[in-house]
Amino acid sequence: GEDVEQSLFLSVREGDSSVINCTYTDSSSTYLYWYKQEPGAGLQLLTYIFSNMDMKQDQRLTVLLNKKDKHLSLRIADTQTGDSAIYFCAESSGGYSTLTFGKGTMLLVSP
Amino acid sequence: KAGVTQTPRYLIKTRGQQVTLSCSPISGHRSVSWYQQTPGQGLQFLFEYFSETQRNKGNFPGRFSGRQFSNSRSEMNVSTLELGDSALYLCASSLSLTGGREKLFFGSGTQLSVL
Repeated sequence: GEDVEQSLFLSVREGDSSVINCTYTDSSSTYLYWYKQEPGAGLQLLTYIFSNMDMKQDQRLTVLLNKKDKHLSLRIADTQTGDSAIYFCAESSGGYSTLTFGKGTMLLVSP
Repeated sequence: KAGVTQTPRYLIKTRGQQVTLSCSPISGHRSVSWYQQTPGQGLQFLFEYFSETQRNKGNFPGRFSGRQFSNSRSEMNVSTLELGDSALYLCASSLSLTGGREKLFFGSGTQLSVL
């Protein structure tokens, strides 16, 4: 079945760039998503990329997709302490609104 | 535009009881899906409703059920609660566009604790 893998933890200093990586197994994935979850809150959609794209940039966020290696990354430029949260990678291939999520990467930004 | 609203925010139940959680989607969104989030299993898809019909279902026992009303509001029910049902239950709504591009907007969740 579908599987999405992420590293569990990333620690960076304020002002540095953060790169969160994700791999997925389902080659029929159509869209890939990045969500952010802050403590006690639901998931906030950050950005998404269609599977026929290589890159998407949205302000401080850059998403890179290597479809051959089934590898997705999220780069956050000029990381701020407010970016500290759990980041989830998700893919849609199960149809309709069925997303398969990774276990999440906890990003800790220190001053 | 109001976001996805889930009630209640917290629930404490005992084993064997049943519980009903409610979700009001963003106005105009016709699809509502439910996810269970636990520290061990992460986020797992429960089911999705569109126009009052269950369109997709995850791999959960029959104790987990849901429904959607004509105004797109949705409820999920868990009967005969078990300790392992303790989790954050998240509801998401979407426009359900064609072509597979779904932007899911999540509520803040209902934290269920089963004692």
